[in-house]
Amino acid sequence: GAVVSQHPSWVICKSGTSVKIECRSLDFQATTMFWYRQFPKQSLMLMATSNEGSKATYEQGVEKDKFLINHASLTLSTLTVTSAHPEDSSFYICSAPLTGGSNEKLFFGSGTQLSVL
Amino acid sequence: KQEVTQIPAALSVPEGENLVLNCSFTDSAIYNLQWFRQDPGKGLTSLLLIQSSQREQTSGRLNASLDKSSGRSTLYIAASQPGDSATYLCAVNGQGGKLIFGQGTELSVKP
Repeated sequence: GAVVSQHPSWVICKSGTSVKIECRSLDFQATTMFWYRQFPKQSLMLMATSNEGSKATYEQGVEKDKFLINHASLTLSTLTVTSAHPEDSSFYICSAPLTGGSNEKLFFGSGTQLSVL
Repeated sequence: KQEVTQIPAALSVPEGENLVLNCSFTDSAIYNLQWFRQDPGKGLTSLLLIQSSQREQTSGRLNASLDKSSGRSTLYIAASQPGDSATYLCAVNGQGGKLIFGQGTELSVKP
């Protein structure tokens, strides 16, 4: 099956620093990628839809200036958590459909555990 | 607004038992429904995907059903094994690939 690679797997940073998370589609091109966040014991919540060559679409309540998304190529989307604070500590995970169809199976990265001290 | 609910939140069974996990959703206008497995601190592994036109899908010991009109899906696991212990998530795809997830069922299979 299709492979989505996400790095880093975990990161610990000081409050106020910025953290970049990468999501790569290894064996297919992804014009769209999705970014989710998961707090402990809670479900995954969609944060934003990353679109190659255009601006990301953010879900209601997600600050676009805090969570910067860049989808500069057909195989790479990045999520940057700017000026991270302890409340941003969470599990972040990306996904991508194989061909971009609405009814497709989505492939997920392995996730990034962010801890902000 | 689509809402997805999973029952039970947690389940503990002895090895070898057959079990059913439940998922319900409020808006029947979906493209498909997907069941995932998540191990602690890990990403998601897709188990089964049921398109809106389908009634069920099977893979090995897993069988998932979908009743779109009533907004329900079940995941049946036959002859459970300790290696099946994980959190099982269902998610509905209702709009352009955006998945709405349930909160999951944490399954523990005791040897």
